[in-house]
Amino acid sequence: QVQLVQSGTEVKKPGSSVKVSCKASGGTFSSYSLSWVRQAPGQGPEWMGGIIPMFGTSNIAQKFQGRLTISAEESTTTVYMELRSLTSEDTAVYYCARDLSLAVPGVYDWWGQGTLVTVSS
Amino acid sequence: DIVMTQSPDSLAVSLGERATIKCRSSQTILSRSNNKNYLAWYQQKPRQPPKLLIYWASARQTGVPDRFSASESGTDFTLTISSLQAEDVAVYYCQQYFSTPYTFGQGTKLEI
Repeated sequence: QVQLVQSGTEVKKPGSSVKVSCKASGGTFSSYSLSWVRQAPGQGPEWMGGIIPMFGTSNIAQKFQGRLTISAEESTTTVYMELRSLTSEDTAVYYCARDLSLAVPGVYDWWGQGTLVTVSS
Repeated sequence: DIVMTQSPDSLAVSLGERATIKCRSSQTILSRSNNKNYLAWYQQKPRQPPKLLIYWASARQTGVPDRFSASESGTDFTLTISSLQAEDVAVYYCQQYFSTPYTFGQGTKLEI
C-alpha cells in the first residue's frame, strides 16, 4: 500500500518561497514518477511537474520554469517542491501524486493529503 | 497546451438515474503507437484529493464500481454513471496525459 504524506500548511508573504515535502512509503520509490499538482480554490487541478527519483531529472511545466524546483532524496524516499517568487495567484492546495504504473505515466492513483499554501501580505 | 473542455459545468440527477458528463480535447490525444486515447477521469469530493476512476479513456480502475463507465469518439469523451448513488455526489474531472503539461478539464459538479 503506497502512502504519500505531505508537510503542513504554509502561510507566505508575496515574493517569498515555499518548500513542500512529500514522503513516500510502501512500493518502489525510485522508479516511479512523482508529480506535483496544485488546485486553486474553486478551480480544476493543474499539473506543475514531476520527477523520477532514479533518474533525478525533473520535467517542469513551462508556466513554472524558472521558479519551480522539484527534487528527490532517495535515502529518505522524499520528494520536494520549491516554488519561488510567490504571488497571491499561487494560493492553492498542493498535492504530490504517483503514477499508476510505469506503463501509464501521468495517471495518478496515489495522492498525498494536500498542503494548503496561502500567499498573503 | 492541450485544452480539455467539460460539459456541463454542473448537473443535477435523481438517485438511481443516469448521469452523463462530457469532455472534449482541443487536439488528438490518440497515440498511433498503441491506438489508445490518453484520457483519464477522476472523482473529487470536498477536502479530498482526486480519485482515479478511468484511464485509457475507458479502462476502469480496480475497485471502481461498474456503474461507472466511459466511452470515446475522436476527441470527444463521455463518463457515464448508470444509476446514481448518494456517494457519487462530487466534482468530476477529465485529464489528458498524452503530452506535458498534462491538463485537466474545469470540472463538472454532480449533485442530486
